[in-house]
Amino acid sequence: SQQGEEDPQALSIQEGENATMNCSYKTSINNLQWYRQNSGRGLVHLILIRSNEREKHSGRLRVTLDTSKKSSSLLITASRAADTASYFCATDLATGTASKLTFGTGTRLQVTL
Amino acid sequence: KAGVTQTPRYLIKTRGQQVTLSCSPISGHRSVSWYQQTPGQGLQFLFEYFSETQRNKGNFPGRFSGRQFSNSRSEMNVSTLELGDSALYLCASSLGPFGTQYFGPGTRLLVL
Repeated sequence: SQQGEEDPQALSIQEGENATMNCSYKTSINNLQWYRQNSGRGLVHLILIRSNEREKHSGRLRVTLDTSKKSSSLLITASRAADTASYFCATDLATGTASKLTFGTGTRLQVTL
Repeated sequence: KAGVTQTPRYLIKTRGQQVTLSCSPISGHRSVSWYQQTPGQGLQFLFEYFSETQRNKGNFPGRFSGRQFSNSRSEMNVSTLELGDSALYLCASSLGPFGTQYFGPGTRLLVL
């Protein structure tokens, strides 16, 4: 079953615009991670945000986490054609001592010139 | 530092056969997790190993199994392959639990 649901499922923007993707989840988490995947290849890690953090930045990426609403957002600023990919959020649950990433359904981002 | 490597990258099998996939984690990483990605079910967790012990398992039938060796390399095995096992199988490694998981390029399995 999917822990996370992402919104929108698909997003098409022009180069230079900002892209915002949202992720909602159901249970308490230890951390939430965002990944990028190009055309069915391996996943590239973007950012990890822990449950006690509210915001993190990495280059053109900004991630927010609202544990009260069980939601997170990924903002890509000044998008480029190379940002075209699928983006996934993944939650690492708070129970137990072993990791188990549960992925969302993903957002397909298309950046056009 | 070399990334996570997976072999083979592509594999074609027929129904009823069995397959073994291999994953070499990033040097120093002791946790290895496996995921299955299909268009219909998305990315699903298979199992996680740490120090040769399986500590977590997803909702997959017993035909899916794995193991981890003392050098942290891991293998997963799927027996009695079914058409629905066609998928991209991804391996990820991390230093330990609740850390960043780094993914390999995946093994694309096609079952005919």
